Amino acid sequence: NAGVTQTPKFRILKIGQSMTLQCAQDMNHNYMYWYRQDPGMGLKLIYYSVGAGITDKGEVPNGYNVSRSTTEDFPLRLELAAPSQTSVYFCASSLNTNTEAFFGQGTRLTVV
Amino acid sequence: GIQVEQSPPDLILQEGANSTLRCNFSDSVNNLQWFHQNPWGQLINLFYIPSGTKQNGRLSATTVATERYSLLYISSSQTTDSGVYFCAGPNSGNTPLVFGKGTRLSVIA
Repeated sequence: NAGVTQTPKFRILKIGQSMTLQCAQDMNHNYMYWYRQDPGMGLKLIYYSVGAGITDKGEVPNGYNVSRSTTEDFPLRLELAAPSQTSVYFCASSLNTNTEAFFGQGTRLTVV
Repeated sequence: GIQVEQSPPDLILQEGANSTLRCNFSDSVNNLQWFHQNPWGQLINLFYIPSGTKQNGRLSATTVATERYSLLYISSSQTTDSGVYFCAGPNSGNTPLVFGKGTRLSVIA
């Protein structure tokens, strides 16, 4: 059972480039989430989804887009990378908001 | 939205010592989790504990939902316990987890 899988693990982007962070879960969870963690800080919610076709903004959504075409996948898109988006990105999933959430291993992104 | 405060922010322990980490919420929660972020950055689930007490080896956690706090106890600490401990709870009944800023624990041999 793989749980939550994120790719890539590391990436360096130039300012203005775009990329997609991939996230997949095999637990048949309805809810999926994207968080970012800046150095020395807790995790902040970017976007989340309560099921296929439904997404909603979190605390820090600016500069990001998401889609949820299947239950398993929840990609995060950065369209015009900025240095402020240098962070570690975590994807997570849960059956619902009252059950345990499980996290992927994170993607460390540097924008230069 | 809900505020999550963790204390202490930093803690240094001698190997073998015990410690208590605290998490306070500004509003009631019906879902509370404790995580350990190891030095490699991985987030490891410790406890899902909306209320009551749970134990897992040297670690235990207690949540008093009516008083809006949770405690994580680490007994006989080991160097492998080092890292950052986060608690998290939802903003309201059906919203995602909101994280505290964490407690950074360093266990020295």
